[in-house]
Amino acid sequence: DQQVKQNSPSLSVQEGRISILNCDYTNSMFDYFLWYKKYPAEGPTFLISISSIKDKNEDGRFTVFLNKSAKHLSLHIVPSQPGDSAVYFCAASYNAGNMLTFGGGTRLMVKP
Amino acid sequence: DTGVSQDPRHKITKRGQNVTFRCDPISEHNRLYWYRQTLGQGPEFLTYFQNEAQLEKSRLLSDRFSAERPKGSFSTLEIQRTEQGDSAMYLCASSSGTGDEQYFGPGTRLTVT
Repeated sequence: DQQVKQNSPSLSVQEGRISILNCDYTNSMFDYFLWYKKYPAEGPTFLISISSIKDKNEDGRFTVFLNKSAKHLSLHIVPSQPGDSAVYFCAASYNAGNMLTFGGGTRLMVKP
Repeated sequence: DTGVSQDPRHKITKRGQNVTFRCDPISEHNRLYWYRQTLGQGPEFLTYFQNEAQLEKSRLLSDRFSAERPKGSFSTLEIQRTEQGDSAMYLCASSSGTGDEQYFGPGTRLTVT
């Protein structure tokens, strides 16, 4: 049973436009959500996170939105840059420091 | 740079052999995690430690897998009698325990032939 799902395996956007990556979860116990970026042959790199007490968190070009009623979160990247091309994973946890449950990832391609 | 390091980066072994991987977390991070990632999938949790105590193990962690963190610093993950299905990227992460951000190492890619 996949508790965290990323339904779009890939996404292609033009440089300078907005990239929107989506993630759905089923476990109501999750109270912390994170996004990671992964390049080939490297470990995941932490990007941004959000607590369930918030509905938005912003860090530079990256904004994460959380809709608890829909059990849905999204990552917005504005403006998209070619260097953003990577696989993006959303992850969720409950209680600080516990294991992370990851989605299957979305491959983002930003075209110059 | 004092990020998470893992050794070796690549390991090729024959089925039935034992392998051991090492992870050195970020200094003073008291939590250390092991994940496994197969092609096209997200990382899957295997086990985690707070200091030297192993607090949780996934059901994915069969009896052939064992992890240790003897002094609360580095950790080792051993796989006995490797099988072809063990071929994967093994990722280690650490956190300070005061937040949920986990910082990952570069991983060890295991190929079982």
